[in-house]
Amino acid sequence: AQTVTQSQPEMSVQEAETVTLSCTYDTSENNYYLFWYKQPPSRQMILVIRQEAYKQQNATENRFSVNFQKAAKSFSLKISDSQLGDTAMYFCARSGANSKLTFGKGITLSVRP
Amino acid sequence: GAGVSQSPSNKVTEKGKDVELRCDPISGHTALYWYRQSLGQGLEFLIYFQGNSAPDKSGLPSDRFSAERTGGSVSTLTIQRTQQEDSAVYLCASSLVVGVFGTEAFFGQGTRLTVV
Repeated sequence: AQTVTQSQPEMSVQEAETVTLSCTYDTSENNYYLFWYKQPPSRQMILVIRQEAYKQQNATENRFSVNFQKAAKSFSLKISDSQLGDTAMYFCARSGANSKLTFGKGITLSVRP
Repeated sequence: GAGVSQSPSNKVTEKGKDVELRCDPISGHTALYWYRQSLGQGLEFLIYFQGNSAPDKSGLPSDRFSAERTGGSVSTLTIQRTQQEDSAVYLCASSLVVGVFGTEAFFGQGTRLTVV
């Protein structure tokens, strides 16, 4: 089975500081997509950032950036200058050729004022 | 529509009754997913539809659960003889498939099912 693993169930960070959420995955494919989704208490899932595996450059979206290590099958999310609105559950996900989107179990992030 | 639409947003049903949950995906999205999420927990995959291919039903927890997708668009998830452990939020998502790759999924707001 193609799995996605988020080993940390929860994390906490002080407002304005930086936090990194880890994710590893299993795949036999060379080309695939990786995603980080955010689910705030409103429960609406929102795409935070995506990475295409054939691109070596790490994706960035404002305060959000990834550290994509293809050989290690690692895809961590770094949130800089954390804000109270970043408090949410974060899910890592992977999709590949002819394969469904597979999610990790998620991590609950709390930003402390 | 502009986004993925799910109905109803909330459903309370008596144990033993059947329920139908509806998902209207984004127009043109050929891939459609159903997930279940218990309070504060992760996403449990239920079923995946892609175009005209046979659906991937590997996540359905029992034969009381079934889903169909008519005309490659609207999908209905049916739970027969509901049990209290079926209480959860049911999320639907759709995505484009570009070539052979699924792109990012867009989610509906979910249906919160409560079995009493």
